[in-house]
Amino acid sequence: ILNVEQSPQSLHVQEGDSTNFTCSFPSSNFYALHWYRWETAKSPEALFVMTLNGDEKKKGRISATLNTKEGYSYLYIKGSQPEDSATYLCAFIGYTGNQFYFGTGTSLTVIP
Amino acid sequence: GAGVSQSPRYKVAKRGQDVALRCDPISGHVSLFWYQQALGQGPEFLTYFQNEAQLDKSGLPSDRFFAERPEGSVSTLKIQRTQQEDSAVYLCASSLGGEINEQYFGPGTRLTVT
Repeated sequence: ILNVEQSPQSLHVQEGDSTNFTCSFPSSNFYALHWYRWETAKSPEALFVMTLNGDEKKKGRISATLNTKEGYSYLYIKGSQPEDSATYLCAFIGYTGNQFYFGTGTSLTVIP
Repeated sequence: GAGVSQSPRYKVAKRGQDVALRCDPISGHVSLFWYQQALGQGPEFLTYFQNEAQLDKSGLPSDRFFAERPEGSVSTLKIQRTQQEDSAVYLCASSLGGEINEQYFGPGTRLTVT
């Protein structure tokens, strides 16, 4: 079983603050990393699929970076809004199989 | 349909009962995944289909768990002789195929075994 860790486990920020959190994964046999956003009572939705070391992806106020050599990815949210409140999950996919290894998520609460 | 659907959304089963959970993926999606999510944890991989072929079932926790996708579209996850530790949310996801394509998740089925 591969260990995918996310930190912090939970986070409370004020509206307008920028924030970031981390996904750590094994640096060997890397194939892809996915980020998902999971709002309460909804299904997880894909944010980014990242495959290349040094990749940086952006969608609106949310961006992510990837370092496959050291085994981490950062997710950044600029100017947090209450609607950003959700759990953010990362999933590591290795060359060894079809399995997606999810982290336990970072729960973000944006306080108006 | 527009998205992945799962039924039932909630299921309460008495210990020892068999249950069947259904997943309707997005039309045309080749890959289908099942996950189990316990409270406070991230989704844990159970099994993966490419069309009708079950390519990986290494995540199924015991031989009481069985999944099928006979025609390459709808999938059913069956749990025989349910135990209390089977209580979890069961998520289904589909994708166009391959590890670099994003997954589209269903709403999940919350199974409670009493």
